[in-house]
Amino acid sequence: NAGVTQTPKFQVLKTGQSMTLQCAQDMNHEYMSWYRQDPGMGLRLIHYSVGAGITDQGEVPNGYNVSRSTTEDFPLRLLSAAPSQTSVYFCASTVWQGGTGELFFGEGSRLTVL
Amino acid sequence: AQKITQTQPGMFVQEKEAVTLDCTYDTSDQSYGLFWYKQPSSGEMIFLIYQGSYDEQNATEGRYSLNFQKARKSANLVISASQLGDSAMYFCAMRASSGGSYIPTFGRGTSLIVHP
Repeated sequence: NAGVTQTPKFQVLKTGQSMTLQCAQDMNHEYMSWYRQDPGMGLRLIHYSVGAGITDQGEVPNGYNVSRSTTEDFPLRLLSAAPSQTSVYFCASTVWQGGTGELFFGEGSRLTVL
Repeated sequence: AQKITQTQPGMFVQEKEAVTLDCTYDTSDQSYGLFWYKQPSSGEMIFLIYQGSYDEQNATEGRYSLNFQKARKSANLVISASQLGDSAMYFCAMRASSGGSYIPTFGRGTSLIVHP
């Protein structure tokens, strides 16, 4: 069972380039989310979705775009990369209502913007 | 709004000793869940333990226990008999049902180093 799969694991971009981080889950979870992790800042929520066709902004959404066309996939798009977006990105999913709400994480994607 | 506070940026413990990692939370909701995650140097996020706000007993999972003090709004993680493999970042998180939203909130983390 794959769980949450993130690609790529590593990426180097130049300022101004765009890219998409892919996230897929096979657990039929309604809730999917993207976090960024920076030293000393913990995990900060970028965008989240509670079902196909529904997305919303988190704490730090600027410079990022998401869509949720299927239950399984939740890609994160960087529209015009900036050095401030150098970070480790995690995709996570869980059952939206009911259950404990334990988050299932992808392995993370380390992004460097030069 | 929900808030999680971890006041210990770094902790050190001797192997085989117990260690407590602090976590306080703030929410006006009656129904919420508290979580601890471990992040080793390899980077993955590992779920450790869960405590529901209505659970009367403290949660335990092997060497991990959650010291839940509801009145003080604290949810400290206790690791007994520390092992070298426990060296990692530890994150406390909360998921509260505020207005139908269950968005998890994370603390900034505590770095634990276990000395041999």
